[in-house]
Amino acid sequence: NAGVTQTPKFQVLKTGQSMTLQCAQDMNHNSMYWYRQDPGMGLRLIYYSASEGTTDKGEVPNGYNVSRLNKREFSLRLESAAPSQTSVYFCASSALAGPTGELFFGEGSRLTVL
Amino acid sequence: QKEVEQDPGPLSVPEGAIVSLNCTYSNSAFQYFMWYRQYSRKGPELLMYTYSSGNKEDGRFTAQVDKSSKYISLFIRDSQPSDSATYLCAMSVGGGSNYKLTFGKGTLLTVNP
Repeated sequence: NAGVTQTPKFQVLKTGQSMTLQCAQDMNHNSMYWYRQDPGMGLRLIYYSASEGTTDKGEVPNGYNVSRLNKREFSLRLESAAPSQTSVYFCASSALAGPTGELFFGEGSRLTVL
Repeated sequence: QKEVEQDPGPLSVPEGAIVSLNCTYSNSAFQYFMWYRQYSRKGPELLMYTYSSGNKEDGRFTAQVDKSSKYISLFIRDSQPSDSATYLCAMSVGGGSNYKLTFGKGTLLTVNP
């Protein structure tokens, strides 16, 4: 019962470095999401993909890019990391992008940018 | 005013207590209301889901929605140490490309044995 798998779980970067967070789900879900969670800010949507082949910006997309590689995989890329991107990143998936679509979250990727 | 307001706590109660967690919201278009539970260093998981106003009960948990007051609550009866977690309210409206889901900041709950 893997559900949503995120890699890596921990990462330390220097300012200006790039990296990609990987996410895969095995529930045959159509929709996938990337959130960041910061103390005092709650969960904020970065990007989402309502279905394979589509991606859309969320609330805080600046500094990030995404790729919906196939139905299972949705990656998040930081091209030039900044200290403000230090956060816990969560990938989530749902059967559909709608009010009845329960989100299933991964365990998170903890990123520190020095 | 933020769309969803949630007191971050922390809230500390003794085992067996009744816990009340609350959120207020400003967007009257919200139709679907959820509570997610997040254990330390884990991702959130859906706890309860309600549509429109009214109550919904699931074991020791009761979710309550008052759309006229734009106020939702989660009650936990006979709280247990295993209930210690952060509870996030979430609200949504629309569907497809118009779908919008907004989370509260979460309330950290500790139940002491």
